[in-house]
Amino acid sequence: ELKVEQNPLFLSMQEGKNYTIYCNYSTTSDRLYWYRQDPGKSLESLFVLLSNGAVKQEGRLMASLDTKARLSTLHITAAVHDLSATYFCAVEEASGSRLTFGEGTQLTVNP
Amino acid sequence: DGGITQSPKYLFRKEGQNVTLSCEQNLNHDAMYWYRQDPGQGLRLIYYSQIVNDFQKGDIAEGYSVSREKKESFPLTVTSAQKNPTAFYLCASSSGTTITYNEQFFGPGTRLTVL
Repeated sequence: ELKVEQNPLFLSMQEGKNYTIYCNYSTTSDRLYWYRQDPGKSLESLFVLLSNGAVKQEGRLMASLDTKARLSTLHITAAVHDLSATYFCAVEEASGSRLTFGEGTQLTVNP
Repeated sequence: DGGITQSPKYLFRKEGQNVTLSCEQNLNHDAMYWYRQDPGQGLRLIYYSQIVNDFQKGDIAEGYSVSREKKESFPLTVTSAQKNPTAFYLCASSSGTTITYNEQFFGPGTRLTVL
């Protein structure tokens, strides 16, 4: 059974600071997704990582994938309040079709 | 505009009542999914369908039923057998191919409350 663990689960940070969210998973996969969820809203796709060493960047967020370590990171650079949300990683099982989600990291960026 | 719609946005259920949540997509996606999200929790897979007239149980299928008679539609019924149905329900779809990748796109959600 595929297990996906995120840490930290809660993150409070000041504007302008940098931080990294980690996503570990338990079985072989080279397809990983990051989503953002605002309070009371649905999930919005952020990044699709499809191979070992993949790196994607959008604004102040950068995601990477290390399939050998079964680890993905979501790095936040110079955080701003608008980044406050819950971030989920999801891993596609080797057999395809279904995703297993982490518990989510609730990020709060304080002025 | 292409997308996924869910209705209703809010739904209230009485004890012992079955209710059906609607999910429609016009993205021409083959695969569709239903997830349940409890407050402060991640997403748990209820059912998924990779093709019309076929579907598979996810991790928490007990007390739920689905149908997939049309490619565009994947309704979820919450039956009276589901003892704790209060949650946020999310529908998603994807192209379903394992050749490329399986990015899922989500509808706006239905918030179900048991009275």
